[in-house]
Amino acid sequence: GNSVTQMEGPVTLSEEAFLTINCTYTATGYPSLFWYVQYPGEGLQLLLKATKADDKGSNKGFEATYRKETTSFHLEKGSVQVSDSAVYFCALKGGTYKYIFGTGTRLKVLA
Amino acid sequence: EAGVVQSPRYKIIEKKQPVAFWCNPISGHNTLYWYLQNLGQGPELLIRYENEEAVDDSQLPKDRFSAERLKGVDSTLKIQPAELGDSAVYLCASSFGQGGNEQFFGPGTRLTVL
Repeated sequence: GNSVTQMEGPVTLSEEAFLTINCTYTATGYPSLFWYVQYPGEGLQLLLKATKADDKGSNKGFEATYRKETTSFHLEKGSVQVSDSAVYFCALKGGTYKYIFGTGTRLKVLA
Repeated sequence: EAGVVQSPRYKIIEKKQPVAFWCNPISGHNTLYWYLQNLGQGPELLIRYENEEAVDDSQLPKDRFSAERLKGVDSTLKIQPAELGDSAVYLCASSFGQGGNEQFFGPGTRLTVL
């Protein structure tokens, strides 16, 4: 079946550091890929998405490219801020509209 | 625009007691999802509704869990009786269309079973 694997956290960075959170997937067909963010005490929010191979999703300085050849969708940001501290979830949506989420990666950004 | 509303935000009960969670989706969103999120894990789908119809309930443990969405708007998820292993966060989400569009999540209900 479909699955998502993302790097374990927590990831601790200093402000303005470069961020990468790895995500790889296993899926039949051509899934859509997503990154969600969850701030403390809040629900998950869609951060960015990509619906086909080589698409790049971007939002708020975050980027991720749908790499079919490596089945990856790594999240990157060039310069993180304290306000980016949150839990980040990689997810895929298969043909039956069922979403599969990764286990989440907690990011801590220190001032 | 109001987001997805869930209540209660927190619930503590003793095992074998019943419990119910309520969700009010974003106005106009016909698709509604209930997810279970265990500590340190990602959300796992329990049930998906399109309007009043449960179109995917394959992951719902039907011996103790039930859900309803009678008028195609609000939804209730019930557990009876609750077990210690049911302690988790229960998330509700909604989307417009047939489930292929962006989901908007509520803040969740954190259940603790003692």
